[in-house]
Amino acid sequence: QVQLVQSGAELKKPGASVKVSCKASGYTFTSYGISWVRQAPGHGPEWVGWISAYSDDTNYAQKFQGRVTMTIDTSTSTAYMELKSLRSDDTAVYYCAREFRSSAWTPNWPDPWGQGTLITVSS
Amino acid sequence: DIVLTQSPATLSLSPGERATLSCGASQSVTASSLAWYQQKPGLAPRVLIYDASTRAPGIPDRFSGSGSGTDFTLTISRLEPEDFAVYYCQQYGSSPGTFGQGTKVEIK
Repeated sequence: QVQLVQSGAELKKPGASVKVSCKASGYTFTSYGISWVRQAPGHGPEWVGWISAYSDDTNYAQKFQGRVTMTIDTSTSTAYMELKSLRSDDTAVYYCAREFRSSAWTPNWPDPWGQGTLITVSS
Repeated sequence: DIVLTQSPATLSLSPGERATLSCGASQSVTASSLAWYQQKPGLAPRVLIYDASTRAPGIPDRFSGSGSGTDFTLTISRLEPEDFAVYYCQQYGSSPGTFGQGTKVEIK
């Protein structure tokens, strides 16, 4: 079955960086992309960005431009999201999710999702 | 960005009752590109409906979606105990895809 397994929870200080991994299995990794979505406590999901696993195209939400970098390692079917210059309001659960797109700018519905990675930013 | 507004914020119902959840968009959603997700505490969202009215594989037929343009509805015909959760709508007709703030369906 399709499965996305993410790295574990992290505690970071303001200004630091964090890199979250997402290992995919159960499907042809290079036929889809990966979206990253975050969810702050008590809030709805917020899309962070998308990366293609077949073309290296990326599409980042405007509010994260310059702070987020998404990469792919096709040899291990793993996607990564790095977020820099962390602030307290970056505290959230970060999810990866499989998402097919015909182009980087045509969103789709992400499914399935990984189990989530809690990133806590606190001094 | 398209803003999605879900109502009500909380729906208090009993098992066996019908649930009607609404999702309104700040502008028309292209090609009815709207999905509904269910989220239980501590778990990731899972998709129930996509393209406004198509059930995802394995989703029971008590879940149905309808609507177009700016007004969409998720209906649960008869609530089962496992249906009490938070539900989110998501539009993917325009970039960036955006989510609503959720409707919590709780046991009355």
